[in-house]
Amino acid sequence: TQLLEQSPQFLSIQEGENLTVYCNSSSVFSSLQWYRQEPGEGPVLLVTVVTGGEVKKLKRLTFQFGDARKDSSLHITAAQPGDTGLYLCAGAQNFGNEKLTFGTGTRLTIIP
Amino acid sequence: EAGVVQSPRYKIIEKKQPVAFWCNPISGHNTLYWYRQNLGQGPELLIRYENEEAVDDSQLPKDRFSAERLKGVDSTLKIQPAELGDSAVYLCASSPWPPGPFSMNTEAFFGQGTRLTVV
Repeated sequence: TQLLEQSPQFLSIQEGENLTVYCNSSSVFSSLQWYRQEPGEGPVLLVTVVTGGEVKKLKRLTFQFGDARKDSSLHITAAQPGDTGLYLCAGAQNFGNEKLTFGTGTRLTIIP
Repeated sequence: EAGVVQSPRYKIIEKKQPVAFWCNPISGHNTLYWYRQNLGQGPELLIRYENEEAVDDSQLPKDRFSAERLKGVDSTLKIQPAELGDSAVYLCASSPWPPGPFSMNTEAFFGQGTRLTVV
């Protein structure tokens, strides 16, 4: 049983549209990470959020950590085909992220 | 600097046969993880090592799975005997715990994984 539920599980949108992916849990995390995984590769870290309410921006990607540190969201503006991949959130319940629990994943497809 | 190296990339075996996966972490990373990932899902932790010590193996099916990390560097994960349900991608990751002086948090660096198919 995974502690982190992501929604939607699948998302297919046209290039140029905006989207939001959610990561929810009933557990509190000391920090939360977002990874992107491409076919045949391992996940690659995009960002780490630590403080409740924290917002981080990475070009067209905006990440937010919930005030209660139980949930997070990833918003992509003007999606591009290169954004296609499996997006994974991962929570750490101990300081320093040495114990990571991954979410269920959101498979995003951007249609040119 | 080389990343996490796993081998083999692909493995097809018949059920009831043994199989082993190998992982070489990034030099200097003392934390090593083995994850199992089913298609389209998030990775699930099997075992975590701090140096040569397995500090979290609560989700490792110990009746058929075993792992070792000799001298706190390379690691192998073994399944004996394999079952049809073991088909998945097995990912190895390493991280530099404790984190560096400029970071409160550490990042897990993943290998490309081994795709296991049990037939």
